[in-house]
Amino acid sequence: EVQLVQSGAEVKKPGESLKISCKGSGYSFTSYWIGWVRQMPGKGLEWMGIIYPGDSDTRYSPSFQGQVTISADKSISTAYLQWSSLKASDTAMYYCARIDYARQKVFDYWGQGTLVTVSS
Amino acid sequence: QSVLTQPPSASGTPGQRVTISCSGSSSNIGSNYVYWYQQLPGTAPKLLIYRNNQRPSGVPDRFSGSKSGTSASLAISGLRSEDEADYYCAAWDDSLSGRWVFGGGTKLTVL
Repeated sequence: EVQLVQSGAEVKKPGESLKISCKGSGYSFTSYWIGWVRQMPGKGLEWMGIIYPGDSDTRYSPSFQGQVTISADKSISTAYLQWSSLKASDTAMYYCARIDYARQKVFDYWGQGTLVTVSS
Repeated sequence: QSVLTQPPSASGTPGQRVTISCSGSSSNIGSNYVYWYQQLPGTAPKLLIYRNNQRPSGVPDRFSGSKSGTSASLAISGLRSEDEADYYCAAWDDSLSGRWVFGGGTKLTVL
């Protein structure tokens, strides 16, 4: 069974750094892209970027380029999303999701989400 | 402001057929596949339709997708109370070096 399990909720202060994770299981982690999607409170879905864990090829949405860093450790089947200096406006739910480009099934499996709250 | 445009709300009574529209442009819907996602309250989104009109296994055939030109639609027939959710369309956009874009979402209410 394909599963993406994300790390738990975080409460941080503005200016702090953060790295959240997404662990894949039940499939070949290095053969599928993983994407990150933001959902601000009461709002819609926004694509942040994607990574191919096989070779760490990474693409960012222009809206998030330079604001976050996406990485992966294929040895432990885990993708990451990190911030070096959080802002209050980063408060949101963050989802990871798999992309099966071979079958053109985009975001076919999702993690449960990680709620990030940034408040002084 | 979302790149893909959806109506903010839709509604129907049990058993009815409802459609949700998604409007884009030549750089996204006009030249790429459309995807639809269902987000039940308090849960992660779920893939409902891929490649314009394909259903993943486990998705009831009450859900169907279509695309024409730069617009797409999601139809739900035999509406049920458990269909009450937010629905999002998405597509690859060829502009700005390429990016995935979503619609703003449509909240479906089952009356």
